[in-house]
Amino acid sequence: AQSVTQLDSHVSVSEGTPVLLRCNYSSSYSPSLFWYVQHPNKGLQLLLKYTSAATLVKGINGFEAEFKKSETSFHLTKPSAHMSDAAEYFCVVSGNTGFQKLVFGTGTRLLVSP
Amino acid sequence: DVKVTQSSRYLVKRTGEKVFLECVQDMDHENMFWYRQDPGLGLRLIYFSYDVKMKEKGDIPEGYSVSREKKERFSLILESASTNQTSMYLCASSLGGVSPYFGPGTRLTVT
Repeated sequence: AQSVTQLDSHVSVSEGTPVLLRCNYSSSYSPSLFWYVQHPNKGLQLLLKYTSAATLVKGINGFEAEFKKSETSFHLTKPSAHMSDAAEYFCVVSGNTGFQKLVFGTGTRLLVSP
Repeated sequence: DVKVTQSSRYLVKRTGEKVFLECVQDMDHENMFWYRQDPGLGLRLIYFSYDVKMKEKGDIPEGYSVSREKKERFSLILESASTNQTSMYLCASSLGGVSPYFGPGTRLTVT
């Protein structure tokens, strides 16, 4: 079975400081991993995905994530937070079928203060 | 751009009513999904479909059914709405191994 744990329900940063959103996964085989972002009253948007190519994955809006198999982690980072980054972020692992059945984490709400 | 649209952004229904949530995608995707989103629980899969007239139960199918008569349309049906089905409902579609595209969501309130 696949599972994913987001270690923080809320993260608060100041504008211009680094962002770290933590995610650990569990999978019986090599997973596909994703980060999605949800802005208030908007649908989910794909930020980036890892599918067994390069372990450092670059996404949109300056975000990136590193796949670390030894630590079963896929943390999301950004060097400098912007006010527009305030949103909820979901770490996602693919299920064990061919139909992209996704397993979502419980989400991390990122708060950015001026 | 892929577009996934949902028939309503907000919906208020009474307990016991039959409720239909509609989802349409415009990119000929074979896979379609219905999730519900609740605070602190993330997204949980209700049902998915990998082809017309095909459906599979997700993790929380109880109290729901689905219909996929045409490739572009996937309907979620609450046979007899209950207050514990008050939630945000998200539809998504995907093509093969590509990550899904999500609709804007329907916030359903059952009173």
